[in-house]
Amino acid sequence: EADIYQTPRYLVIGTGKKITLECSQTMGHDKMYWYQQDPGMELHLIHYSYGVNSTEKGDLSSESTVSRIRTEHFPLTLESARPSHTSQYLCASSVTSGGGADTQYFGPGTRLTVL
Amino acid sequence: AQSVTQPDIHITVSEGASLELRCNYSYGATPYLFWYVQSPGQGLQLLLKYFSGDTLVQGIKGFEAEFKRSQSSFNLRKPSVHWSDAAEYFCAVADTGRRALTFGSGTRLQVQP
Repeated sequence: EADIYQTPRYLVIGTGKKITLECSQTMGHDKMYWYQQDPGMELHLIHYSYGVNSTEKGDLSSESTVSRIRTEHFPLTLESARPSHTSQYLCASSVTSGGGADTQYFGPGTRLTVL
Repeated sequence: AQSVTQPDIHITVSEGASLELRCNYSYGATPYLFWYVQSPGQGLQLLLKYFSGDTLVQGIKGFEAEFKRSQSSFNLRKPSVHWSDAAEYFCAVADTGRRALTFGSGTRLQVQP
């Protein structure tokens, strides 16, 4: 099973601040993902990456941006945080398998509150 | 586009009782299905997955799920629930194009002593 780390676990910040949520994995997985989850709701894909220098937007429109400069690192940045960004952000990674679909492994999440 | 429906938002069972959580999917091709569990304030832990083969899949923590193509279902079961099983359970189907997951809205399980 993958080891995926997210920092910080909890973040309370004021409107207009720039923030970066960190996500790292130590298993060398080529694919990484960011999901957004509002309390009591399902997860929605906001960004994904097939590998270094590859990023795509997901199903849910998000004002955040991501980068993938190293295989193990997939940070998410909000240039100017707003209260509407308050949510839980979950990072995941997976490795391409021959079975037709990957198995995703999730980090513990970052719970963001924007005041 | 694929979708996942979990009809039960909230289920309460007594400790030691059996459990079945329902999941229905909509997907045009062979589905790749997953069950994850999320404890409060935590990330998601993989319970089990179905890619192909035997339609009854065994997972961790004593859980199993059965894939029924005719009913487009992938229900999760456990014969005897423990208090530590109280959590949110998510069913998901894989988008084999992007390799991303589409999740259901989740079922919150409460376990009564």
